[in-house]
Amino acid sequence: QVQLVQSGAEVKKPGASVKVSCKTSGYSFTGYFIHWLRQAPGQGLEWMGWINPNSGGAHLAQKFQGRVTMTIATTISTAYMELRSLTSDDTAVYYCARDWDVDGSFWGQGTLVTVSS
Amino acid sequence: DIVMTQSPDSLAVSLGERATINCKSSQSVLYSGNNENYLGWLQQKPGQPPKVVIYRASTRESGVPDRFTGSGSGTDFTLTISSLQAEDVAVYYCLQHFTTPWTFGQGTKVEIK
Repeated sequence: QVQLVQSGAEVKKPGASVKVSCKTSGYSFTGYFIHWLRQAPGQGLEWMGWINPNSGGAHLAQKFQGRVTMTIATTISTAYMELRSLTSDDTAVYYCARDWDVDGSFWGQGTLVTVSS
Repeated sequence: DIVMTQSPDSLAVSLGERATINCKSSQSVLYSGNNENYLGWLQQKPGQPPKVVIYRASTRESGVPDRFTGSGSGTDFTLTISSLQAEDVAVYYCLQHFTTPWTFGQGTKVEIK
């Protein structure tokens, strides 16, 4: 069955970087874009961008351009999202999600990133 | 960006009664190439990740009870829970994936009356 398993919770200081991983299984990794989203405490969902595992090309929401890098490791069917220059506003649960198809979409369990001095 | 507007913001329904949530998009999310609406509904229980319950506006995700029904096309959509159960208490979000950025409704909190 399709699964997306994310790395564990992180605590970072302001100004630091964080890299979240999303290991996929149960489907053709290169066949579907991976999207990254986040949800700040008590807030709604915010789309950050996608990466195409077939090409490595990525497209980011404007507010994250210059601060987010999305990468892939095809041999281990894993996607990564790195966020730099963290501030307290980046405290959130970060999700990866497989793109939609005739069988719907599949989401990771989420990774809590806490930014605190 | 496509703006998604949900109503109501919260809803209290008696067990066994119907719950109805509406979602309106600022532009059509109907893809003419396959006549599919790129509209999904997510259920999020406290402390849990979102779970897809409906996709393509009306297709129930595998394992989702048939009391959940999605309907609508173009810009107006509805999620109906025909007979509310205790385990359905959650926040429900509509989202469009017709174009990026994916955008979400503000969420509807469903509670037991």
